[in-house]
Amino acid sequence: DGGITQSPKYLFRKEGQNVTLSCEQNLNHDAMYWYRQDPGQGLRLIYYSQIVNDFQKGDIAEGYSVSREKKESFPLTVTSAQKNPTAFYLCASSLRTGGLEAFFGQGTRLTVV
Amino acid sequence: AQSVAQPEDQVNVAEGNPLTVKCTYSVSGNPYLFWYVQYPNRGLQFLLKYITGDNLVKGSYGFEAEFNKSQTSFHLKKPSALVSDSALYFCAVGSSGDKLTFGTGTRLAVRP
Repeated sequence: DGGITQSPKYLFRKEGQNVTLSCEQNLNHDAMYWYRQDPGQGLRLIYYSQIVNDFQKGDIAEGYSVSREKKESFPLTVTSAQKNPTAFYLCASSLRTGGLEAFFGQGTRLTVV
Repeated sequence: AQSVAQPEDQVNVAEGNPLTVKCTYSVSGNPYLFWYVQYPNRGLQFLLKYITGDNLVKGSYGFEAEFNKSQTSFHLKKPSALVSDSALYFCAVGSSGDKLTFGTGTRLAVRP
């Protein structure tokens, strides 16, 4: 069953903790993305990766970190430096960047408690 | 820098009536344009795209979109709305070698 899988679906974080959101794809896509979704603000790009061992900051990278050690995996860490982390996080992949549709995971809802 | 504008936060339409969700864009070079739909607490689902060719693009679930280069628009349309079409719709733009930029979304509400 091909696709892009995010886990967990719901995540709760205490103040000052780092948490890592998982994103795995078996579509053999080179490009992967992380977006943050807040009500009324649409999707904002956090980080993206065009190829293994390479990634670039998006529009709102502060307080987040990523790695791309394997083609299939692009985990996102929300660090304690992110002051307002409560949001819906979406991972996506595409065959490559530029002109190709992205396929999305089902999202992770992160809540700070 | 590329950008997308969805000027309506919400569109309301009666079931059976035609619907239009508006999108305008700004990009250097030839645009790649997309529409996605999102249901509550779910990821985005691809509806249709324009890369090149015919200005009228047909997609999933009876939706279509018209590319208008002079007006830099890519409006989403459907001839007859269904209650099940009620969702959040996103327009996105990309260009060769670049990532996608999404609009802020338009909530479509179809009343029975």
